[in-house]
Amino acid sequence: GAGVSQSPSNKVTEKGKDVELRCDPISGHTALYWYRQSLGQGLEFLIYFQGNSAPDKSGLPSDRFSAERTGGSVSTLTIQRTQQEDSAVYLCASSLARETEAFFGQGTRLTVV
Amino acid sequence: GEDVEQSLFLSVREGDSSVINCTYTDSSSTYLYWYKQEPGAGLQLLTYIFSNMDMKQDQRLTVLLNKKDKHLSLRIADTQTGDSAIYFCAERVGADGLTFGKGTHLIIQP
Repeated sequence: GAGVSQSPSNKVTEKGKDVELRCDPISGHTALYWYRQSLGQGLEFLIYFQGNSAPDKSGLPSDRFSAERTGGSVSTLTIQRTQQEDSAVYLCASSLARETEAFFGQGTRLTVV
Repeated sequence: GEDVEQSLFLSVREGDSSVINCTYTDSSSTYLYWYKQEPGAGLQLLTYIFSNMDMKQDQRLTVLLNKKDKHLSLRIADTQTGDSAIYFCAERVGADGLTFGKGTHLIIQP
């Protein structure tokens, strides 16, 4: 596909369970970002991958959150022992390089019940 | 620290101009962006401006940047119902990820 693809589009999980969210960036884009959009909170930066460099994890809210990017392409955001406050839309974006515009996926709406 | 502020709501009449304002705190911002988010959709880049520019125009969109006041605005001329969305201002500082405001809901009145 031509754009950033995220899956699943919706995920409902029980409190305490682990979830994995997937992001397929645009082919050739070296930079990949994860953001969280909570109701009324705007967009919160979570983590940033740039090529083979160590990721910038400064936005991850707790050690229950982790992300990896395999082969410089697909990324997975994992949330362990989910809590209700983790409910949000998780957005992934990619860009050709760190200075260029970021293209966003449609997001994964996570609901923790 | 980084902080981007926007008004939460803006209501305009169809056909009028909309002006969405944004302030930021980091004077070393390199790029400033406007994104549009329609209901149930991801973010779409509308336009961006380099920090060494004062103005950028693209069809109905005009971006104004006042670096002294750290103020960014997006003007949409001849606002249409299809412009109804949430508009996010964002800044990039160096190699960091984007920092977004909370978004401005643009409401179009007939």
